[in-house]
Amino acid sequence: GNSVTQMEGPVTLSEEAFLTINCTYTATGYPSLFWYVQYPGEGLQLLLKATKADDKGSNKGFEATYRKETTSFHLEKGSVQVSDSAVYFCALSEVRADSNYQLIWGAGTKLIIKP
Amino acid sequence: DTGVSQDPRHKITKRGQNVTFRCDPISEHNRLYWYRQTLGQGPEFLTYFQNEAQLEKSRLLSDRFSAERPKGSFSTLEIQRTEQGDSAMYLCASSLGYRVSTDTQYFGPGTRLTVL
Repeated sequence: GNSVTQMEGPVTLSEEAFLTINCTYTATGYPSLFWYVQYPGEGLQLLLKATKADDKGSNKGFEATYRKETTSFHLEKGSVQVSDSAVYFCALSEVRADSNYQLIWGAGTKLIIKP
Repeated sequence: DTGVSQDPRHKITKRGQNVTFRCDPISEHNRLYWYRQTLGQGPEFLTYFQNEAQLEKSRLLSDRFSAERPKGSFSTLEIQRTEQGDSAMYLCASSLGYRVSTDTQYFGPGTRLTVL
């Protein structure tokens, strides 16, 4: 079945460092791919998405490119801030034969940014 | 604020009691989802509605859980005879639901349930 694998955390970086959080997936068909972020004590927020191969999603300085050849959707940011400390979830949309769909989630990667 | 809202934000109850949570989706969204999330895990799908119809319910959901979405607007999730294992964050999300290939779910802040 479809699945999402994220790099294990926590990932600890210093402020202004370059960030990469790896996400790979297995899927049949052509799912949409998402990154959600969850700040402490809060619900999930959509960070960015890509709906087809080679699309690049971007928001708040974060970017991720839908790579079908490597089945990856790695999250990157050039210069992280303390306020980026959160848990990041990669997800894909699994479309069913009846046109319904579900989100398949990675386990989440906790990011800690130190000043 | 026109995002998804949930009430209450926190609920503490004793084992065996019933609890009910409410979710108000983004107004033009047709689909509404309920998830459960425990510490250090991703969301676990519980059920979803297309307008007022409950179209799917997770096999993991026991009969003690019931959800409604009367009139296709807000939704309620009720847990009867709560158990300590029900302690979790309950998340609600909504989406337009028109094109599944690009549909995007937007989440509320969640209701944190603690069963003593």
